[in-house]
Amino acid sequence: EVQLVESGGGLVQPGGSLRLSCAASGFTVAGNYMSWVRQAPGKGLEWVSVAYSGAGTFYADSVKGRFTVSRDSSKNTLYLQMNSLRPEDTAVYYCARDSTGPLDWGQGTLVTVSS
Amino acid sequence: DIQMTQSPSSLSASVGDRVTISCRASQAIGNDLGWYQQKPGKAPKRLIFAASSLQSGVPSRFSGSGSGTEFTLTISSLQPEDFATYYCLQHSSYPLTFGGGTKVEIK
Repeated sequence: EVQLVESGGGLVQPGGSLRLSCAASGFTVAGNYMSWVRQAPGKGLEWVSVAYSGAGTFYADSVKGRFTVSRDSSKNTLYLQMNSLRPEDTAVYYCARDSTGPLDWGQGTLVTVSS
Repeated sequence: DIQMTQSPSSLSASVGDRVTISCRASQAIGNDLGWYQQKPGKAPKRLIFAASSLQSGVPSRFSGSGSGTEFTLTISSLQPEDFATYYCLQHSSYPLTFGGGTKVEIK
């Protein structure tokens, strides 16, 4: 059974950093395209980034240069390093396994950027 | 970037009604489109992939159609558990982009 569990969210001040984790089971993170998608409170879904099979990555313009996605095959875990956080980054962050678009989703982790 | 315009943004319907939601892409995306359902406090769930293919385990009252720039999600007979927000997503090119969502409410 495919399972994704996000962690690492919390309250952070503007300009601060946070690293989200997404622990996977039932498949290998290294062998799949993996996305991060976020949802601001009361708003719609926004795609954030993807880690391709191998080392390729792609980011939404809104986070490019501030966020970095990575994988640890030994832990079968996906990460999202978020730097220079802004209030508009406040959202629930979901990780997802892609198969012609996000298919399997985690439960999400809330990131709040506020002073 | 490809923009996805979804309509309507909300609708009220009764159990048993036929419901149609539309999504328009700013450029042709073939059939690289999915439809998702999201209930409050929950992660999205994919209903349709490749514009018209039903995800395993999804009731057959859900169907998708279209290609190129115009797409439609249809619920043939709305059930109580279908009241939710629906999103389209294009995965033809990065960045992936979602439509703005359609909230389906009880009339």
